Amino acid sequence: DIQMTQSPSSLSASVGDRVTITCQASQDISHFLNWYQQKPGKAPKLLIYDASNLETGVPSRFSGSGSGTDFSFTITSLQPEDFATYSCQQYNYLPYIFGQGTKLEIK
Amino acid sequence: QEQLVESGGGVVQPGGSLRLSCAASGFIFSSYGMHWVRQAPGKGLEWVAFIRHDGSNKYYADSVNGRFTISRDSSKNTLYLQMSSLRVEDTAVYYCAKDFGYDSFPNHWGQGTLVTVSS
Repeated sequence: DIQMTQSPSSLSASVGDRVTITCQASQDISHFLNWYQQKPGKAPKLLIYDASNLETGVPSRFSGSGSGTDFSFTITSLQPEDFATYSCQQYNYLPYIFGQGTKLEIK
Repeated sequence: QEQLVESGGGVVQPGGSLRLSCAASGFIFSSYGMHWVRQAPGKGLEWVAFIRHDGSNKYYADSVNGRFTISRDSSKNTLYLQMSSLRVEDTAVYYCAKDFGYDSFPNHWGQGTLVTVSS
């Protein structure tokens, strides 16, 4: 199976900060990489698909980039509602592996 | 508005069985593949299974293959996950999710149902 290494596992930041999370695949997955947001007790929400496409209704302060094995996810100007856990997921190969998640906390 | 509502979770002993259901509304259920994804307490997300829009193909994670069966009833707009030979490590919140399209990835999720495997 493909391994997805996401870093960091946790991150402290302040409202207004810019933060970046990375995800590395153990083999080439082209652009087949998504980013999800999850708040405590809630279902995941798709933010970015195909590495860089913003899901409908998602604010433009969220963005993604990368291809092959190295990907990044950025939030510019953090808002209070952005403090959550973020996970990447590859869907080029079955099984569809998720990264272990990054918990974004308020500093 | 797309809506997915899971049910059927509960407490079951190791070795037992349970069937989860996911009632779908707000979209043409028969046109989309569907996924099950789970999350153990305090852990990350784990994809469990996928079924194509017409039920013609099913795919499973190695951890559940041979023990879990995904199915669907388009006349009832309902997705199912039959779980048998349950293990303690199957304890998790189970989410059903609608596929984005073209057998790709989950893009809209239900609220989840908790399955606890414990003696």
